[in-house]
Amino acid sequence: GAGVSQTPSNKVTEKGKYVELRCDPISGHTALYWYRQSLGQGPEFLIYFQGTGAADDSGLPNDRFFAVRPEGSVSTLKIQRTERGDSAVYLCASSLVRDTGYEQYFGPGTRLTVT
Amino acid sequence: AQTVTQSQPEMSVQEAETVTLSCTYDTSESDYYLFWYKQPPSRQMILVIRQEAYKQQNATENRFSVNFQKAAKSFSLKISDSQLGDAAMYFCAYRSANFGNEKLTFGTGTRLTIIP
Repeated sequence: GAGVSQTPSNKVTEKGKYVELRCDPISGHTALYWYRQSLGQGPEFLIYFQGTGAADDSGLPNDRFFAVRPEGSVSTLKIQRTERGDSAVYLCASSLVRDTGYEQYFGPGTRLTVT
Repeated sequence: AQTVTQSQPEMSVQEAETVTLSCTYDTSESDYYLFWYKQPPSRQMILVIRQEAYKQQNATENRFSVNFQKAAKSFSLKISDSQLGDAAMYFCAYRSANFGNEKLTFGTGTRLTIIP
């Protein structure tokens, strides 16, 4: 079946602009995760949804970052007043409920460049 | 907070040979999961192998196996019969077994080069 998809693949925006990054999880996966991967680093956790609610948003760096998952499927990561330091690859992952092995399936990511 | 350390930024191996990638982690938890992910240039993270901390037996998946030393908090990945398609970034990751603490904590990665 289809894997996790993310759009756009690449996004270039100017400093101060607003951006939205979209994630389509694997059908039926109740858990959804956002990670940020800076150049030369491993992914860093941002936020985790179980269904429609954010179960853990402790990784969001500040209040410019916000994510929603209104119907428990597609999620959107929103970044306000973008800064050059926000440039990174934003990865989305999804998984089934906890008793199925905990595997997170990742999408190809969105490369965000803030100029 | 848990931390994951990969001390080898780059490794190279001759095709068909064996290579071992190192990973250490720090945690105060007794139950957790450890993973090795592969990230090719396409950026998509692919699960290579998983180890449950409560299992003493080391996990194996075809040419991939781990050496899990719980007391030493070490989790190395061995790739046997290396193939050109194994070239990628490899990330070690930790996940708590506690309900609600679902996030993965990653190391900084090891870039593996396969020499033909």
